[in-house]
Order: sequence, then C-alpha cells, then structure tokens
Amino acid sequence: KQEVTQIPAALSVPEGENLVLNCSFTDSAIYNLQWFRQDPGKGLTSLLLIQSSQREQTSGRLNASLDKSSGRSTLYIAASQPGDSATYLCAVSRGSTLGRLYFGRGTQLTVWP
Amino acid sequence: EAQVTQNPRYLITVTGKKLTVTCSQNMNHEYMSWYRQDPGLGLRQIYYSMNVEVTDKGDVPEGYKVSRKEKRNFPLILESPSPNQTSLYFCASRRQETQYFGPGTRLLVL
Repeated sequence: KQEVTQIPAALSVPEGENLVLNCSFTDSAIYNLQWFRQDPGKGLTSLLLIQSSQREQTSGRLNASLDKSSGRSTLYIAASQPGDSATYLCAVSRGSTLGRLYFGRGTQLTVWP
Repeated sequence: EAQVTQNPRYLITVTGKKLTVTCSQNMNHEYMSWYRQDPGLGLRQIYYSMNVEVTDKGDVPEGYKVSRKEKRNFPLILESPSPNQTSLYFCASRRQETQYFGPGTRLLVL
C-alpha cells in the first residue's frame, strides 16, 4: 500500500524566507503527484501537478520537483509571505486506479511578518 | 463559477440516526469521490465513482454508502452513524488529472 510522508509537520518562518517542504512516497509506481494548499475551515486547492514523466513544475513563486526513482518530491516557496500561511498537502495517484489520491498528513506553514 | 458544493457544512447528530451529506458539482465531471480527514491520519478516500451508476470502495468504506444516479450529484450516506465517524468530510470531482474539492462538512456524532 502506498504511504506518503511529509516533513516537517510544522514550519514557522519570517516573511521573505525561501523554504522547502518535503514529501516522500513508498511506491514509485505513481501516475502523478500533486501539491495542495488547505486553509483553515476550507477545502483543498490544487497548486501544482507533476506527471510521473516530468521532473518539475513551476507556478509563480512555487516550484515543485519530482524524483520518482527515489520516491521524493519537494515544494519550494520563494520569498514567503504571510498569505502563504496554510497547510500544504502532497498526494500521489497510482496508475492502476486513476483518480484515487494517497495523501500525506501535511506541513502546517506559518509565515510571520 | 466552477465549484463543488457540500451540504450541510456543519452537522451534529446522535448515534444511529441516519444522515446524508450531499455533494454537487457543476463542471460535468465524470469522476467524483469522498474523503475524510482526521488529525494524525490525513485524508483517506471513502468511496469514488467513475461515472453514473459506477461506484467503488476506497480505503475506508465501512459504515458508509454512496449513490450516483446523475452525473452532478454524489451523496454520502451514513445509515447508522457512530462516534468514530466524527470527522471532516470532503467531496471532490476530477477533470483530467486535477481534483476540485468542496469546502468540507464537519460532522460530530454524539
């Protein structure tokens, strides 16, 4: 069974710092990997999706990388802002069951002014 | 506006009293699913549906039922809720590989 782990569980940084969130998964036979953002009391918003054949994806200040062979992904946030404060979730989809996502427990990020 | 809606958003009920959480999407997506989110356990899939009248179990289906009679709706049914079903529930629909999540339903079973 696929297991997804996110480190660290919580992170608190001052505004302006560049930071890295980590995600690892046990089964490298994935179809794609997604990073989500979850704000308190709200649903999940998809940030970036990386296909298994890709190495990275970028959106604005966010950059996600994928190393399928080692079972790792990182989410890089440049020049962090207080508005980035949220929980970030990593999820992988297996090719055999398209659509089913296996989630990590998330990294709770706080960016203080 | 493209969205996934859930109702109710908050619900307090008692053990054994049947309840239904509705989910509706306006994007004509074929794939829909239900997740529950619990502290320390993350999000786990309960049921999913690939299309109308096609449903299958996720990782934690015990105690839940679903139906998919029309494409836009995917209700989650708890026939006899128990306290261990107290959780935050999310409905999602999928277009290609992007999943769209509803705002969540917070359920407390006493």
